[in-house]
Amino acid sequence: AQKVTQAQTEISVVEKEDVTLDCVYETRDTTYYLFWYKQPPSGELVFLIRRNSFDEQNEISGRYSWNFQKSTSSFNFTITASQVVDSAVYFCALLNDYKLSFGAGTTVTVRA
Amino acid sequence: DAGVIQSPRHEVTEMGQEVTLRCKPISGHNSLFWYRQTMMRGLELLIYFNNNVPIDDSGMPEDRFSAKMPNASFSTLKIQPSEPRDSAVYFCASSPGTRALEQYFGPGTRLTVT
Repeated sequence: AQKVTQAQTEISVVEKEDVTLDCVYETRDTTYYLFWYKQPPSGELVFLIRRNSFDEQNEISGRYSWNFQKSTSSFNFTITASQVVDSAVYFCALLNDYKLSFGAGTTVTVRA
Repeated sequence: DAGVIQSPRHEVTEMGQEVTLRCKPISGHNSLFWYRQTMMRGLELLIYFNNNVPIDDSGMPEDRFSAKMPNASFSTLKIQPSEPRDSAVYFCASSPGTRALEQYFGPGTRLTVT
């Protein structure tokens, strides 16, 4: 069975602070894909990143970075120097074939 | 290029009424997904079409829900009769392949059943 756990329900930070979102997954598959999506207050789902299970290299994109550790089944996401526009719900998801299983989401609030 | 288009963006209806949600996938995409987002259950897959054929409808909650894809550029999700517990945001997503590695989501339809 596929399962994605985002233990943090809400995180509140002051602008310019770093924030790390945790994601732990469960799967029996050896090949799988992990995703992060952002859902701003306007409601749409915005794709941020996709990683496959064979690529454990960490990735940095601007202020965003991702840490994938297969040994601990974790795919964590860090926003560096957070900004008010980063306020959103962030979802981690696991893809098995065509089925995306989403975590419950972490609400990030960045205060000015 | 236009993304996934959903209509209406907001729908308010009374219990017992029929509701039809519409989706136009990105041109050239051959996979289409309907998701539902609620506070209680989060984001869950309702149904998956590939090349206009329903492949997996195991997420459809009950017989009151039905989905169709009469052609590659249009899909509907119908609820008949609607109930207050159907209130949710319904997302449509499309993907260029069968593996769904690149799912592009529409803006969603916020449904309120009173």
